[in-house]
Amino acid sequence: DIQMTQSPSSLSASVGDRVTITCQASQDISNYLNWYQQKPGKAPKLLIYDASNLETGVPSRFSGSGSGTDFTFTISSLQPEDIATYYCQQYDNLPQGTFGGGTKVEIK
Amino acid sequence: EVQLVQSGAEVKKPGESLKISCKGSGYSFTSYWIGWVRQMPGKGLEWMGIIYPGDSDTRYSPSFQGQVTISADKSISTAYLQWSSLKASDTAMYYCVRRDFDYWGQGTLVTVSS
Repeated sequence: DIQMTQSPSSLSASVGDRVTITCQASQDISNYLNWYQQKPGKAPKLLIYDASNLETGVPSRFSGSGSGTDFTFTISSLQPEDIATYYCQQYDNLPQGTFGGGTKVEIK
Repeated sequence: EVQLVQSGAEVKKPGESLKISCKGSGYSFTSYWIGWVRQMPGKGLEWMGIIYPGDSDTRYSPSFQGQVTISADKSISTAYLQWSSLKASDTAMYYCVRRDFDYWGQGTLVTVSS
């Protein structure tokens, strides 16, 4: 099984700060990695696909990078509406589309 | 407009059976895999399995193999997730998602309690 280790599990930052979340796969997944945003009571929303591609309509302050086993998700300037939990997901070996444990982002 | 619309919330007793649904519209339902995701209360996302409605090819994550059944009826563009005997630990929100991960259902809350 491919394990996805996401860190940190939570963070607190100020509006305008740069926020970085990392995700590490237990084996090479190439660039088969998504990043999602989930707000309370809502379904996850795809932000980044194939590790670094911005989904249509997603603000450009969100970005992703990495390949192989190490990936990074960045919010370049945190906004109040970005308060949410963020998840990575590998889809290199479906049916196991393993998710990371999530990162809860709060405003300081 | 692409939509995945799931059936409504359910409250069941342990041991009961249940089948929840996910109806696709606005795209060729038989051309995209549909996955199911579990989210237990206050917890993260768990990938359960996936089905290709075109030929009903179905694959399960090991943790869910034998615990649930995923199926689809392409004539009505609907995918299903079912349990034969619910447990309290099945209490969760369940989401369906199109394989490109771009469209999600609104979620179905399943509560299992005696």
